[in-house]
Amino acid sequence: RKEVEQDPGPFNVPEGATVAFNCTYSNSASQSFFWYRQDCRKEPKLLMSVYSSGNEDGRFTAQLNRASQYISLLIRDSKLSDSATYLCVVNTNQAGTALIFGKGTTLSVSS
Amino acid sequence: NAGVTQTPKFQVLKTGQSMTLQCAQDMNHNSMYWYRQDPGMGLRLIYYSASEGTTDKGEVPNGYNVSRLNKREFSLRLESAAPSQTSVYFCASSDGPWGNQPQHFGDGTRLSIL
Repeated sequence: RKEVEQDPGPFNVPEGATVAFNCTYSNSASQSFFWYRQDCRKEPKLLMSVYSSGNEDGRFTAQLNRASQYISLLIRDSKLSDSATYLCVVNTNQAGTALIFGKGTTLSVSS
Repeated sequence: NAGVTQTPKFQVLKTGQSMTLQCAQDMNHNSMYWYRQDPGMGLRLIYYSASEGTTDKGEVPNGYNVSRLNKREFSLRLESAAPSQTSVYFCASSDGPWGNQPQHFGDGTRLSIL
């Protein structure tokens, strides 16, 4: 089983749609979880951390299910500017190789 | 506040040439990392430095060397470039090596080896 798995997409949605991305991870000892956003040919940028109780930042909601080792990202009222690749990131608690990056899910929002 | 700065942004080399990619961060972070990103492969860790004075291999270290010059700077060297090293290289930094804090990335070096 791969350490962090994501559906690569692409997800093609119209403006205003709600879209959800899922991610599963294999290391049950993982304690920290993040969603990053990467625009085409740009660097990954932190979108939000994921907390056990779930957390929301504007139109973005992240959820964590430790029992199922599953993380989700919900985007409401999609904007054209949300078009990007979304990377699920999980820590390993091993120094150095501490963060494992999923390969990403590509979102394309159209007008 | 510049964050993580990488130089150069673009470079074309011939097979067998050497070069050093530079990275500097101004966030007073202890840990620094070098990744490469290839289409369909995701980010792969080349080398990391958990703290000043230490460096360790990541997932794909062959063909590379690193130097943690001081707390701010972490360089990546290709001694004899090969076409398989054509990639986008990202440097990142974080407060600590355990992954409890997110990593912050530079804007990358696009390297082509002919």
